[in-house]
Amino acid sequence: KQEVTQIPAALSVPEGENLVLNCSFTDSAIYNLQWFRQDPGKGLTSLLLIQSSQREQTSGRLNASLDKSSGRSTLYIAASQPGDSATYLCAARGGNQFYFGTGTSLTVIP
Amino acid sequence: DAGVIQSPRHEVTEMGQEVTLRCKPISGHDYLFWYRQTMMRGLELLIYFNNNVPIDDSGMPEDRFSAKMPNASFSTLKIQPSEPRDSAVYFCASGTHYEQYFGPGTRLTVT
Repeated sequence: KQEVTQIPAALSVPEGENLVLNCSFTDSAIYNLQWFRQDPGKGLTSLLLIQSSQREQTSGRLNASLDKSSGRSTLYIAASQPGDSATYLCAARGGNQFYFGTGTSLTVIP
Repeated sequence: DAGVIQSPRHEVTEMGQEVTLRCKPISGHDYLFWYRQTMMRGLELLIYFNNNVPIDDSGMPEDRFSAKMPNASFSTLKIQPSEPRDSAVYFCASGTHYEQYFGPGTRLTVT
């Protein structure tokens, strides 16, 4: 069964810093990997989707990469802002299911 | 499109009562997922449908839980009888083969 791990579980950075969130998965036979953001008490918002044939996707200050051979994906956030504070989850699509990591709680300190 | 719609947004009920959660997926999506999220266990997939047919319900915790999708625009998750340990946020998500979009969730509290 696919297992998805996100380390660290929590991260605090000062405003303006660039940061990287990590996502590891055990089975490289994935269709795609999706990054989500979850604000407290809210649902999940899709940020970026990387197909298995792609290496990276970019949206504004966010850049997600995928290395299937090593079972890793990273989410890079440039010039972090307090509004980026949230929990970030990754989900690997395998078969017909999405396998979620437990998330990284990010706090950007003004 | 209004996105995935879930109702109610909050539900407080007493142990032993029946609870029904509702979901309207995004039009055109052929997959529908029900998840449960708690602090202890994170996000858990309960069941998912493809073209209104249940594909995998191995995540449904007990026979007290049941889910239906009578048509492409509506699904329900029912808990009967409810127990305090069922307290959680229940999310519905719809999507295609490639990605999914989440509803705002239903926060269930069973006292």
